[in-house]
Amino acid sequence: QVQLQESGPGLVKPSETLSLTCTVSGGSVSSGNDYWSWVRQPPGKGLEYIGYIYYSGTTKYNPSLKSRVTQLVDTSKNQFSLKLNSVTAADTAVYYCARIYCTGGVCSFDSWGQGTLVTVSS
Amino acid sequence: QSVLTQPPSVSAAPGQKVTISCSGSSSNIGNNYVSWYQQLPGTAPRLLIYENNKRPSGIPDRFSGSKSGTSATLGITGLQTGDEADYYCATWDNNLSAWVFGGGTKLTVL
Repeated sequence: QVQLQESGPGLVKPSETLSLTCTVSGGSVSSGNDYWSWVRQPPGKGLEYIGYIYYSGTTKYNPSLKSRVTQLVDTSKNQFSLKLNSVTAADTAVYYCARIYCTGGVCSFDSWGQGTLVTVSS
Repeated sequence: QSVLTQPPSVSAAPGQKVTISCSGSSSNIGNNYVSWYQQLPGTAPRLLIYENNKRPSGIPDRFSGSKSGTSATLGITGLQTGDEADYYCATWDNNLSAWVFGGGTKLTVL
């Protein structure tokens, strides 16, 4: 059973860059069936897809966040990461990393990290 | 405003059945598989249904999914107080080239 764990600062200043890392255990970020994603949830609100990365480095970002998002994968550390620049208070949310498992053309978010709250405030 | 539309809340008594709808368009639900997620209070989402109507191992058969055209439905029978949670639908959107989630539905078991 794959497990994911987010890590990174819980407080980021406005206009700065939010940086998070997701460490994968019980599986490999190099698996051809898996896409590694970030999803966020502002307090009291719903889920918002941020983007995913494949082990080859291919990415697909939410168009609404694309200009500010960078996702990277580090196969040697079995980790993937998220950078969101020029943050504002609207970026305050619980950030989840999740695996998108695909087989036979069918994909779903089948494993999730516990989530980490990131607050944007001076 | 979410691309996929869900009712904000539903409620039913213990032991009863409830359905949660998820409405989209031809660019998302109409041409892609739908998955459903359960988020218990204070926890991460959990996969409940994938490929429109399939349950991962460990998910009881009280939970079911269906899809027709550009809408999908989650059904829960034999409601228990432990089913109180937020439920989200999700699918790929071909126009956006991105995953999209419904706005979420809060289930209350009265």
